[in-house]
Amino acid sequence: DTEVTQTPKHLVMGMTNKKSLKCEQHMGHRAMYWYKQKAKKPPELMFVYSYEKLSINESVPSRFSPECPNSSLLNLHLHALQPEDSALYLCASSQEPRTFNYGYTFGSGTRLTVV
Amino acid sequence: SQQGEEDPQALSIQEGENATMNCSYKTSINNLQWYRQNSGRGLVHLILIRSNEREKHSGRLRVTLDTSKKSSSLLITASRAADTASYFCATASYTGGFKTIFGAGTRLFVKA
Repeated sequence: DTEVTQTPKHLVMGMTNKKSLKCEQHMGHRAMYWYKQKAKKPPELMFVYSYEKLSINESVPSRFSPECPNSSLLNLHLHALQPEDSALYLCASSQEPRTFNYGYTFGSGTRLTVV
Repeated sequence: SQQGEEDPQALSIQEGENATMNCSYKTSINNLQWYRQNSGRGLVHLILIRSNEREKHSGRLRVTLDTSKKSSSLLITASRAADTASYFCATASYTGGFKTIFGAGTRLFVKA
């Protein structure tokens, strides 16, 4: 298995809703990432998990809450989002978080619309 | 935050022509990577070049890195319509953690 699987592919939620995005990989990668991408912009780093521990939080608002229950699974919990949070949310993984020898494997993303 | 700036922002060529995209960055890096993205979906890793390397090839792709000028270029030879996509450079460095930051991207259109 050489894929990163993200679910759901599309999500529409109200500003008072709570929802979660899910990301799964079975490649034995020990680093996992959340990126946010607005239309016609590059992906922006949100969170980095290294060996299931949060190692980087790029000053993301607390309405986004990441969770890494095990080495294969990464969640992003969403609560009280704003319309400007509408974007493509991308999950990625890499083989070894403490070196720069590997590229990232990306999922196909969750397109989130906040209404 | 955005590390790399890419040039041009958009490029339109005929099938069979070569496409060259450039990336400049601001800080020291450990490696530089190039990714392709089709239609706003997931990114695909194309090639990684380490800071001590100057050139790397993979199929129709050729990447160069000039750390003295803090710049890289991606050359796609004999382009095909299927190469139409956005191409991003991404720089990896240790700034408060192991981070990979993406540049603004070049949108490539290959006309059949």
